[in-house]
Parts: sequence; C-alpha cells; structure tokens
Amino acid sequence: QVQLRESGPGLVKPSETLSLTCSVSGDSISRYYWTWIRQSPGKGLEWIGYIFYNGGTSYNPALKSRVTISRDTSKNQFSLTLTSATAADTAVYYCARSRYGSTFDRWGQGTQVTVSS
Amino acid sequence: DIQMTQSPSSLPASVGDRVTITCQASRDIRKFLNWYQHKPGKAPNLLIYDATNLETGVPSRFSGSGSGTDFTLTISSLQPEDYGTYYCQQYDSLPRTFGGGTKVEI
Repeated sequence: QVQLRESGPGLVKPSETLSLTCSVSGDSISRYYWTWIRQSPGKGLEWIGYIFYNGGTSYNPALKSRVTISRDTSKNQFSLTLTSATAADTAVYYCARSRYGSTFDRWGQGTQVTVSS
Repeated sequence: DIQMTQSPSSLPASVGDRVTITCQASRDIRKFLNWYQHKPGKAPNLLIYDATNLETGVPSRFSGSGSGTDFTLTISSLQPEDYGTYYCQQYDSLPRTFGGGTKVEI
C-alpha cells in the first residue's frame, strides 16, 4: 500500500522560504513521477511541478522562478522549496504520485502552510 | 494554460439520485481527463482516468464520458459515502490544470 506523508513548518514569514518534505512508503521514488499540488481558497487546485523517476523536473511556469523540487533516494523522500513566500502562497500542500506524469493516483492528506508575519 | 470549467459548483442531492457533473476544457484535450473525489481532511481519490476508465477499486456506480472539450462524471445512484468535492483535471498539456470543483452535498 503506497502512502505519502507531507511534513514541514505550518507557518512561514513573508519573503522567507517555504520548505516541505514528502515521505513515501510502499513504493520507490525511483519509479513514476512525484508531484506537488496546492489548494488555496482563491485559486483551487494548482499543480506546482514534479520530479521524474530519473531525477529530472518539470515546473508550473507561474511558479518556476521560485520553485525547486528535489529528492533523497536514500530516504525515499522528495521535497519542495518555494522562495520569497507571500500571502498568496498560503495553501494546503499535497504530495502525490503520478502515473506517466498525467494521473495522480496516490495522494498525501495534505499540510496547511500559512504565510504570515 | 488550459482552463477547466466545472458545473455546477455545488449540488444538493439525495441518496439514490442520479448525479451528473460537467467539465469543459478551454480547448480540445482529446480524452486526456481525470476525475477525483475529495473529502475534507482526507487525501483526494482518483476515480476516472482517460475520461472513461474506472480506477481499480472504485465502485461501478461512477462513470465518465466525453472527449474533446466536454466531459461528464455520472454517479448512477448516489450513496451516503459519496459526499465531497469532485474535480476534473486535464493532462493534454503542461501545466496540468484542474477544474474549480463541484461540492456534492447529501
């Protein structure tokens, strides 16, 4: 049974860096694509980007200048870094597994991140 | 970006009702559409992929149809556990985009 769990600070100050980690069990992150998605009240579900099974990445152009997705295969984890956070980055952040980069078939329960001073 | 528009945004319904949710893409996405169910505090759940294919383990009362720009998710006989918000998502092109959601209230 594949399980994903997001972790990281729930509160980030404006202009600082938002960092989250997704821990995966039941599958290897060296298979499939591994994704970050967020949900904010104003914008609904937004695809942030993913890291491929071979370590390559693809990002949403709207966030590309501020986003990095990386991985630690020894821990079977992948991470999200979002620089220069603003209130608009306040959201529930989900990590998910993606089949072929198209279909999100396993999700974490999400973690709330609030950007506020 | 491809815009996905869902309707209605909320849907009061009763157990046993046939429920239909529509999703319209801003341009032709062929069959490259998925449907998800999301309950508060839980992980979203994939229901339908490639517009019409039922994900393993999903009850057969759920079905999907459509291609091009117009798609439909149907629940043939609504059950109490089917409450939640339903989202469509396209994967014809990057960035992947989602509809605004349809909240089904029982």
